[in-house]
This record gives sequence, C-alpha cells and structure tokens, in this order.
Amino acid sequence: AQRVTQPEKLLSVFKGAPVELKCNYSYSGSPELFWYVQYSRQRLQLLLRHISRESIKGFTADLNKGETSFHLKKPFAQEEDSAMYYCALRGGTSGSRLTFGEGTQLTVNP
Amino acid sequence: DTEVTQTPKHLVMGMTNKKSLKCEQHMGHRAMYWYKQKAKKPPELMFVYSYEKLSINESVPSRFSPECPNSSLLNLHLHALQPEDSALYLCASSQPILAKENEQYFGPGTRLTVT
Repeated sequence: AQRVTQPEKLLSVFKGAPVELKCNYSYSGSPELFWYVQYSRQRLQLLLRHISRESIKGFTADLNKGETSFHLKKPFAQEEDSAMYYCALRGGTSGSRLTFGEGTQLTVNP
Repeated sequence: DTEVTQTPKHLVMGMTNKKSLKCEQHMGHRAMYWYKQKAKKPPELMFVYSYEKLSINESVPSRFSPECPNSSLLNLHLHALQPEDSALYLCASSQPILAKENEQYFGPGTRLTVT
C-alpha cells in the first residue's frame, strides 16, 4: 500500500522567513513524488516533481529515500506563497493513480 | 492550448435531476481523470480513462457515470445524486501512463451542489 503523510495541516510564517513543508511517504518500490499547489480560487497545479530536480518559484524538494521524505523548502517566503500544498505519490504498480497527502495550508504573514 | 477546461463552473441540482459535467483538453493527452474534492481535503480519484477506455473505477456509486467520447473529451453523467455528493469535481489529463513526462494537469473544477 502507498501512503503520503503531511504532518502539519496549518503552517504560518512571516514574510522573508524560511519555510519547510514536510512530506513523508510509505511505499515499497521506487515512487515518483510531486508537490501540487492550490492557490485560493485557482486550479490545482504542479509545483515540483522529484525527477526534474528543478527549483520553481524559489521552492526546492529533495527525495530522501532513507528517510522516505520529500520535504518542500523555500529560503525566503513571500506573501504570494500562501496556498494549500499537497504532496503526492505515484507508485510503479499503481499505474496512473496519484495518492495525495492531506495537505498543508501555508500562510505567509506580512 | 495547454489548459484543461471544465463546464459548467457551478451546478446546482436536485436529487431527481440528471446533469452532465464536461471536460476538454487539447494537449494530446491520452489519459484523463475525474476526481472529487471536498473543502480543505485532497482530491479523491474516481475514474481513469486511458486511450478512451475506462481503466480505473475507484468503486464509485453508479449514480456517477463517466464517458470518454474521444481523446479530447471527458464527461461525467450525474443522476439521482445525494446531498453528500456536493463537492468540487476536478478533471485532469496527462500523457500516457508509461510516458516519461506524465504529470497530471488539472482543470478548474465544477462546484456541484445537490439540494
């Protein structure tokens, strides 16, 4: 079975502070991990995927297979980063099925 | 065109009505998906179509009936829904399942209210 855990439902930081959104997963094979973001009244959109190893909007995420984690980080949070963030996993045997975590609502205060 | 579009944006229907949700993409994607999303919760997968054939049905009640008339269109037919079916219904599409770049692109959703 595959599972994604985002331990923080809510996370609040001040503008300019570092932010880390935690994601842990459970999967016996080699998973694909993603971060999706949903801004208020906007569609769910892909932020990062671990395969591409790129930085989007200043966010990075590294897959740590030893700790089964895929935490999302940004060194200096901006107010426009306030949104709901979902970590998602796709396992090799599940075909196209994405398993989402419960999400973390990030609020960046001025 | 790099977007998934969904119509209508909002839908209010009674429990005896029959209605349909529509989804369209012109990115050449051959996998399309229906998700249900309740407020402040993650999307829950309902159906997956791959090459216009239903490949996954997540034990969804028969009052939801998907249809994929061609590679660009995906419908969700609704009949005799319950108030607890009120939610945001999301459509997504992606390259074929085994393709290297197969991330899912989501539409804006249809907000459904069942009265």
